[in-house]
Amino acid sequence: RKEVEQDPGPFNVPEGATVAFNCTYSNSASQSFFWYRQDCRKEPKLLMSVYSSGNEDGRFTAQLNRASQYISLLIRDSKLSDSATYLCVVNIGNTGKLIFGQGTTLQVKP
Amino acid sequence: ETGVTQTPRHLVMGMTNKKSLKCEQHLGHNAMYWYKQSAKKPLELMFVYNFKEQTENNSVPSRFSPECPNSSHLFLHLHTLQPEDSALYPCASSLRDFDNEQFFGPGTRLTVL
Repeated sequence: RKEVEQDPGPFNVPEGATVAFNCTYSNSASQSFFWYRQDCRKEPKLLMSVYSSGNEDGRFTAQLNRASQYISLLIRDSKLSDSATYLCVVNIGNTGKLIFGQGTTLQVKP
Repeated sequence: ETGVTQTPRHLVMGMTNKKSLKCEQHLGHNAMYWYKQSAKKPLELMFVYNFKEQTENNSVPSRFSPECPNSSHLFLHLHTLQPEDSALYPCASSLRDFDNEQFFGPGTRLTVL
């Protein structure tokens, strides 16, 4: 079983749509959770951390369900510039040893 | 734009060659990382250095040999590689080795013939 599992997509949505990505992780000792964004042929960049209480940053909302070992990212009012690959990332213990998912590709169409 | 630079950006080498990849960060960070990204696979951590000391070796074959002479520079020395080692090798840095926000370089695209 993969340590961090994501649906690779692609998710093709029209501008203005709401889209949700899911991610599951296998190690129950995982302590920190993140979403990174990777544009085509570019390096990954931190999008947001994911907290147990859920957190929001503008149009982006991240949720964590520790019992189900499940993380989600919701994007509201999609923009063309949101087109990218979204990487689910887990830190097992506070070591800086990040475990990356394969990524979910989003294409926002006009 | 990026504070992490890597050279070369592309490298083609034979299985008997010896080559080195270089990573430099201009962010004042103390931790540096080597990753491997193969086609259709997730980013895979190889090595972690914190204040020039190696703190993680993720079961990487000895044909990959890292070197960290100071907190700003990281090298990956390559020898006797296999074709399956062809991949993108991104480097990253963070303020400390337990920081979760890592800043990535563009990677070196390696092809082993």
